[in-house]
This record gives sequence, structure tokens and C-alpha cells, in this order.
Amino acid sequence: GENVEQHPSTLSVQEGDSAVIKCTYSDSASNYFPWYKQELGKGPQLIIDIRSNVGEKKDQRIAVTLNKTAKHFSLHITETQPEDSAVYFCAASRRSYKLIFGSGTRLLVRP
Amino acid sequence: GAVVSQHPSWVICKSGTSVKIECRSLDFQATTMFWYRQFPKQSLMLMATSNEGSKATYEQGVEKDKFLINHASLTLSTLTVTSAHPEDSSFYICSARGGWGSSGNTIYFGEGSWLTVV
Repeated sequence: GENVEQHPSTLSVQEGDSAVIKCTYSDSASNYFPWYKQELGKGPQLIIDIRSNVGEKKDQRIAVTLNKTAKHFSLHITETQPEDSAVYFCAASRRSYKLIFGSGTRLLVRP
Repeated sequence: GAVVSQHPSWVICKSGTSVKIECRSLDFQATTMFWYRQFPKQSLMLMATSNEGSKATYEQGVEKDKFLINHASLTLSTLTVTSAHPEDSSFYICSARGGWGSSGNTIYFGEGSWLTVV
């Protein structure tokens, strides 16, 4: 069945450095790739998403890249801040279909 | 962005009783709503998908008679945990997909509901 693999499971960076989280999906029909940030005890918050007709999307310090050929997409956070510390989930889906989630990455930004 | 409200945010109930969790899309019509369960330090586990006006589609291994899902309107879905037991204690999260324009695939999550069965 469909599968999304996410790496790394934990990531520790110094404040101000960049963080990169990578995901690989198996369903070649997937065309929507959102990223969610989940803080402790809260629901996931959509931070950025990308559709299959776009290779890169940026929103201030956050960017996502998509390589359809290789079936992988990545989240890039630049100039990290302590408040970026959270669990990040990638997901993939076909249009009007359920999201398949990665296993999550616990990001720690050290002050 | 779109807002999905979930209520209650936490609830404690006695073993054997039923508890209902509501999920509302506040500023858009949700053609599809999803219910997830999340265990500590794990990813989200999809329980079921509900489309307005039709029966929910449950994932394999999820007991549909135990987790009753109703999606009576385009802005409200409910999850009822029937005859709750301590092992049902968990974090339950709903999400909603808007059905408008090119953003029709965007899925927004509620804040989650902590259920503790004692």
C-alpha cells in the first residue's frame, strides 16, 4: 500500500542554523504534499504545502522542494529559532484522498 | 488559514460510558472529515473518513460499532466512543478538507481531544 518514509526521526540544531527534513513517498499518483508542525498536546498545524505541478515553494523561513521523479520532498527551515522546536510531519495524498503521514521528526533548536 | 474547532479539548469518563467529540469547520464547508488517533510519540493513525451525508469509511482494524462517526452537515462531524475502556484513552484529532477551488485538497486539523477513561 501507500507509504511515506520520513527522516530523520530526531534533529537537533543550533539556533540560527538550518534544518532539513526529508520524506519519500511510494504512490506515484500522489499530487499533494503538506507539512505539519505539532506542538506538545496540540493538533497538527499546516505550515506549508506543495502540489505536484510545482517544484519548490517558499514562505519566509520555510521552503519545500519536490522531486517527482525520485518521489521525494523536503522541508527546509532557515535561521531556526527555539520556537521552531516541535514535531514535524510530512504527508502525501492523491486529490480528494486521505493523507498518508510520515512517522514524524522531532526538531530541537538549541538556544 | 481555515479553522477547525474540536470540542471538548479534554474529557474524563468512567469505564463503560460513552463520550462524544465534536469537530466543526468554522469558516468553510468540509466535504470530507477525518478522524485520527495518536499515541504518545507516534504518528497520526487514521481511524475513519466521513463524507457529509454518507456512512463513514473505517480503516482496517477500527471497530465501527465502537467508534461511531456522524457527519450530518458540511460543518460538523462527531466521534462517539461507545462503552469506553481505559485502553481507549488517547489523543483524538479530527481534520477537515475544504471543497473549494484549487485549495480543495487542503486539509486542516483541529486542536485534538484528550480522552481519559478511568
